[in-house]
Amino acid sequence: AQSVTQPDIHITVSEGASLELRCNYSYGATPYLFWYVQSPGQGLQLLLKYFSGDTLVQGIKGFEAEFKRSQSSFNLRKPSVHWSDAAEYFCAVERDYKLSFGAGTTVTVRA
Amino acid sequence: GAGVSQSPSNKVTEKGKDVELRCDPISGHTALYWYRQSLGQGLEFLIYFQGNSAPDKSGLPSDRFSAERTGGSVSTLTIQRTQQEDSAVYLCASSVSGTVDTQYFGPGTRLTVL
Repeated sequence: AQSVTQPDIHITVSEGASLELRCNYSYGATPYLFWYVQSPGQGLQLLLKYFSGDTLVQGIKGFEAEFKRSQSSFNLRKPSVHWSDAAEYFCAVERDYKLSFGAGTTVTVRA
Repeated sequence: GAGVSQSPSNKVTEKGKDVELRCDPISGHTALYWYRQSLGQGLEFLIYFQGNSAPDKSGLPSDRFSAERTGGSVSTLTIQRTQQEDSAVYLCASSVSGTVDTQYFGPGTRLTVL
């Protein structure tokens, strides 16, 4: 079985500050990992993905994530947050074409 | 190009009624997925279509739920005899070919069962 854990339900960050969202997975084989973002009333937008190769992955909107097999983690980072980054973020792992999602982390950006 | 589209965007229905939700995948994508997003259960896989293969229905919560995909393109998710616990956002996604591939999501249909 596989599972995805996002330990932080809600994070508040000041505009311009750095952001890190945690994601841990439980999966026996090489995982295919994703981060999606969901703005209120919108669908899921892919930020970045990891299939293999370089463990530091660059995505859209200035986000990056680092795959650490030893820690079973795939944490998402952004050096400087913008007010438009306020949204809900989901980590997901794919196996046999199905995505299993974490519970999500809601990010609030304060001025 | 056009992304995944879903209709209606919102649906309010009475308990016991049947509803149909529609998904138009990205042109050329052979794989299509339905997920459900609810407060209590988060994001859950429902069903997967790949080309002409038999669909993977393993995520459907009950036999009141069914889905079909016509002509390898448009898909309809049908919920019969709706219950209040069916209230959720139903998300459709498509990908080029399936496994180890990026799934692109539509905006979802918000279903409210009164």
